Amino acid sequence: QKEVEQNSGPLSVPEGAIASLNCTYSDRGSQSFFWYRQYSGKSPELIMSIYSNGDKEDGRFTAQLNKASQYVSLLIRDSQPSDSATYLCALAGDAGKSTFGDGTTLTVKP
Amino acid sequence: DVKVTQSSRYLVKRTGEKVFLECVQDMDHENMFWYRQDPGLGLRLIYFSYDVKMKEKGDIPEGYSVSREKKERFSLILESASTSQTSMYLCASSDARDGRSYTEAFFGQGTRLTVV
Repeated sequence: QKEVEQNSGPLSVPEGAIASLNCTYSDRGSQSFFWYRQYSGKSPELIMSIYSNGDKEDGRFTAQLNKASQYVSLLIRDSQPSDSATYLCALAGDAGKSTFGDGTTLTVKP
Repeated sequence: DVKVTQSSRYLVKRTGEKVFLECVQDMDHENMFWYRQDPGLGLRLIYFSYDVKMKEKGDIPEGYSVSREKKERFSLILESASTSQTSMYLCASSDARDGRSYTEAFFGQGTRLTVV
């Protein structure tokens, strides 16, 4: 079993809709969770970090963490075509090593 | 603005060549990483370094070596390039000061390497 599993995707939503991206992980001791956005041909960039159970909101983005169920999710409200990208879920472990999921590709259709 | 800079955006090398990929960060980060990214395989860790002259193997170190002589610079070396090493290579760094090991990674722009 992979350490980090994401929705296989691709995910397509209409402009203005809510996009929901999900991630489950196997290491119960994981402490830090991140969502990166990667545009085609570009490198990943951090968009959200979450460390505690519950929700964390930043503009149109909300990260949700449930350590008991070992899942972390990202909601994008009022999705825009510019949100079309691959979203990577990651866990940071010892020495800052991150374990990444394979990513979910999101397409927002105008 | 934090910055991780990779020396080349695109490279084309011949099979058997020794290839150097350079990465420099200006954030005074302790940790530096080299990943490769391939379609369907995600990001895979090749090597990482948590201090000058220190290195540890990641998940796929075969065919690669690294060098970290200065804190800000981390080099990836392909000893004898093969076509199977055609990939996107991503350098990253993260902060470990004050015991903050579980921190986010900052990525360079990536090097698209093609071995022919």
